[in-house]
Amino acid sequence: GENVEQHPSTLSVQEGDSAVIKCTYSDSASNYFPWYKQELGKRPQLIIDIRSNVGEKKDQRIAVTLNKTAKHFSLHITETQPEDSAVYFCAASPRGSNYKLTFGKGTLLTVNP
Amino acid sequence: SQTIHQWPATLVQPVGSPLSLECTVEGTSNPNLYWYRQAAGRGLQLLFYSVGIGQISSEVPQNLSASRPQDRQFILSSKKLLLSDSGFYLCAWRSQLNSPLHFGNGTRLTVT
Repeated sequence: GENVEQHPSTLSVQEGDSAVIKCTYSDSASNYFPWYKQELGKRPQLIIDIRSNVGEKKDQRIAVTLNKTAKHFSLHITETQPEDSAVYFCAASPRGSNYKLTFGKGTLLTVNP
Repeated sequence: SQTIHQWPATLVQPVGSPLSLECTVEGTSNPNLYWYRQAAGRGLQLLFYSVGIGQISSEVPQNLSASRPQDRQFILSSKKLLLSDSGFYLCAWRSQLNSPLHFGNGTRLTVT
């Protein structure tokens, strides 16, 4: 089955700096890659997603890049703010599994004022 | 628009007691439904998913079970809770393949 590795597990940045979280996946048939943000005690919420026919997608300060050849995708947050502090999860949707998303183990991002 | 309701928000139950968590989705038909569990400070563990009424797939063998009695209703149950069942339980739905997964607000279960 699909295996998603996420790095780093914790990331601390100064306000205004950029943050990058990287994920690799094992199933070359995976074709959908969402990113979720989970604030403490709350549900994970989708912040951005990308499909395998696209190499990059951007939404204001957030961008995701996908390298299908290397089987990795990354989340980029620019001009970080304290409210960006949360746990971020990547996921991959293997075409073969039909219905499941496989999640990475999460990255705890702390933005220091 | 679609909404997902999950209840209760918090629950404290003694070891050996039964469990029933309910989740309903509004504004869509024939959704794929999921139950996840999240231990404190940990990742998202898929417990069950359902692609239709009465169709349940189990990902992790344990003392939990799931049922889908109606198209937009998903129930997580246990006959006898264990201490290790404590955690944050999240119901989720998606409309089709390669579409976003939407989570409910979760139930924080503490087994004492």
